Amino acid sequence: QQKVQQSPESLIVPEGGMASLNCTFSDRNSQYFWWYRQHSGEGPKALMSIFSNGDKKEGRFTAHLNKASLYVSLHIKDSQPSDSALYFCAGDAGAKLTFGGGTRLTVRP
Amino acid sequence: DAAVTQKPRYLIKMKGQEAEMKCIPEKGHTAVFWYQQKQSKELKFLIYFQNQQPLDQIDMVKERFSAVCPSSSLCSLGIRTCEAEDSALYLCSSSQSGGGAEQFFGPGTRLTVL
Repeated sequence: QQKVQQSPESLIVPEGGMASLNCTFSDRNSQYFWWYRQHSGEGPKALMSIFSNGDKKEGRFTAHLNKASLYVSLHIKDSQPSDSALYFCAGDAGAKLTFGGGTRLTVRP
Repeated sequence: DAAVTQKPRYLIKMKGQEAEMKCIPEKGHTAVFWYQQKQSKELKFLIYFQNQQPLDQIDMVKERFSAVCPSSSLCSLGIRTCEAEDSALYLCSSSQSGGGAEQFFGPGTRLTVL
C-alpha cells in the first residue's frame, strides 16, 4: 500500500520569498504525481501534475520529479499572502489518489 | 471552474444515528470518489465509482458505510451507525475518467458525531 511522507508539516515564508515542499513515495506504481492546494473552508484544488522526470513549471510554481528516488517537490516563487493554505502531494495508483500529510504554508506580508 | 456540489455542508449526529451526505459531480464526469479528512490532515480514500459502479473501496466502507450513485448526476455516502471516530470532513471529487485525470473536489460535508 502506497505511503506518502510529506515535509515540512508547516512552513512560514515572507512575502516574495521561495517556499519549498517535499514528498517521498513508497510505491513505484504511481504514474502521476499531483500537487493540490486547500484553502480554509474549501475542498482541495489541483495546482499541477507531473509524470516525467525533471522539472515542470507553471507560472510561479515549479514541480520536480525523480522517479528513481520516488521524490517529488514543489517550489513556489515570489510567494503571496494568498498562497497561504494547506498543500498536499498525491500519487495515483490506478484511479484513486494517495495523499501526503500536508504542509501548512503561511506567507507573512 | 469545475463545480462539484456537496450537501449538506454541516451535519451533526448523535452516536448511533444514521448519517447521509450527497454529492453532485461535475457534468460529464464519469468517475466519482469519496475521501475522509480529519483535522486538516491527509485525505483518506474511501470509495471510487466509475460510471456509477463501485470499483474500489476500503474495508471500513464495506462494513459500516453505504455508498451509491443512482444516477450520473447524484451520489450519496451514508454511515449506518455513527461513531465518534467518524467526525471528519467528507470530500467528494469527480473526474472525466479514472487514472491520470484531474480530480475536482467539492467543499465537503463536515460531520460531527456527539
